[in-house]
Amino acid sequence: SQKIEQNSEALNIQEGKTATLTCNYTNYSPAYLQWYRQDPGRGPVFLLLIRENEKEKRKERLKVTFDTTLKQSLFHITASQPADSATYLCALTYGNNRLAFGKGNQVVVIP
Amino acid sequence: GAGVSQSPSNKVTEKGKDVELRCDPISGHTALYWYRQRLGQGLEFLIYFQGNSAPDKSGLPSDRFSAERTGESVSTLTIQRTQQEDSAVYLCASSLSGTGLNQPQHFGDGTRLSIL
Repeated sequence: SQKIEQNSEALNIQEGKTATLTCNYTNYSPAYLQWYRQDPGRGPVFLLLIRENEKEKRKERLKVTFDTTLKQSLFHITASQPADSATYLCALTYGNNRLAFGKGNQVVVIP
Repeated sequence: GAGVSQSPSNKVTEKGKDVELRCDPISGHTALYWYRQRLGQGLEFLIYFQGNSAPDKSGLPSDRFSAERTGESVSTLTIQRTQQEDSAVYLCASSLSGTGLNQPQHFGDGTRLSIL
């Protein structure tokens, strides 16, 4: 069956350190992979998109990698700040028009 | 520029009642999606509209659920004869185009639906 797995345990990290989140997937062949941020009571907000033929994408303090052999994406927040505390969702494209979302991984940045 | 707007933000109703949820997408966005998010769960796809094409309704969980969209504007999601398991946050998203999925989705803040 198709699965998207993100760590269900919150990641607690000291301010200034790099947070690394993992998204593993099974039985998908996504052309694109996206990462979103979700704050409590709010809708998800798009952060980054990476294509299947791209190994790495960066935006400011964020970095995403995409390994289609391992079927894994890593999401990094460098120099983390308390304002980065949120839940981060991985999303894969499938079919012609759908995104399948993981359950998300909570990050707590400790001042 | 306004983002995706959803109303109401909260809805409490009794089991068996019908509810209608509204989504105003970003102007010019041809693709519109509805998702359901249960507490502690991921987003569950419900339905997708792309321009004037027939919608993809394959994610609707039962025939009590239906949705409409007028052209490339407002969409309404209707749940008839609500059940307690319908309690969730219903999220709407729009994007420039759904085809190819190389566009980000822009989400509203959802309608939190509680069935008593």
